[in-house]
Amino acid sequence: QVQLQESGPGLVKPSQTLSLTCTVSGGSISSGDYYWSWIRQPPGKGLEWIGYIYYSGSTYYNPSLKSRVTISVDTSKNQFSLKLSSVTAADTAVYYCVREEDTFDAFDIWGQGTMVTVSS
Amino acid sequence: QSALTQPPSVSGSPGQSVTISCTGTSSDVGSYNRVSWYQQPPGTAPKLMIYEVSNRPSGVPDRFSGSKSGNTASLTISGLQAEDEADYYCSSYISSSTVVFGGGTKLTVL
Repeated sequence: QVQLQESGPGLVKPSQTLSLTCTVSGGSISSGDYYWSWIRQPPGKGLEWIGYIYYSGSTYYNPSLKSRVTISVDTSKNQFSLKLSSVTAADTAVYYCVREEDTFDAFDIWGQGTMVTVSS
Repeated sequence: QSALTQPPSVSGSPGQSVTISCTGTSSDVGSYNRVSWYQQPPGTAPKLMIYEVSNRPSGVPDRFSGSKSGNTASLTISGLQAEDEADYYCSSYISSSTVVFGGGTKLTVL
């Protein structure tokens, strides 16, 4: 079955760029039925949708983060990535990569999540 | 985009039914049937429980059901079990291919 795994630094300094990669196994990221998403959850708080990418490279971002977010895809590696620039302590969160079924906009497969702390 | 409104907490005894509401606007919940519900036990990733307002993915018990009326969607859990204790989140598609989540509801099984 399809599995997603996040990877990247667990600590990022303020004003720098947070970079995470999600590796998809057990299925192709080039399947046309899904979007590939990033969702985050600050400690003790709720979920926040960051954005998603289609295998073709089309992207959609949360308007509140749009100016700082870039999501890209590498179909040859079956991976997609997140970059979040100019981070502050407010960006400290568990970051999940998630598969989104495109007909119903349902997030059906989640990675285990990776904690990223923004601190000097 | 504003978060959908959920009650911070609900509770119930084993065997009882509980309902969690998710209130949006005519721009999100009220306009689309792309409403989903997620269960998140402590320390774990969320799990899809309901999609398209009332559909259950394979493997989700039929004790979980969803509905929608106007701008409010609801998740009902019947025959409450101890294992149902978790945080629950709703989400909805909104315009321009974006998604918004509710603030989350903590379910306590007494």
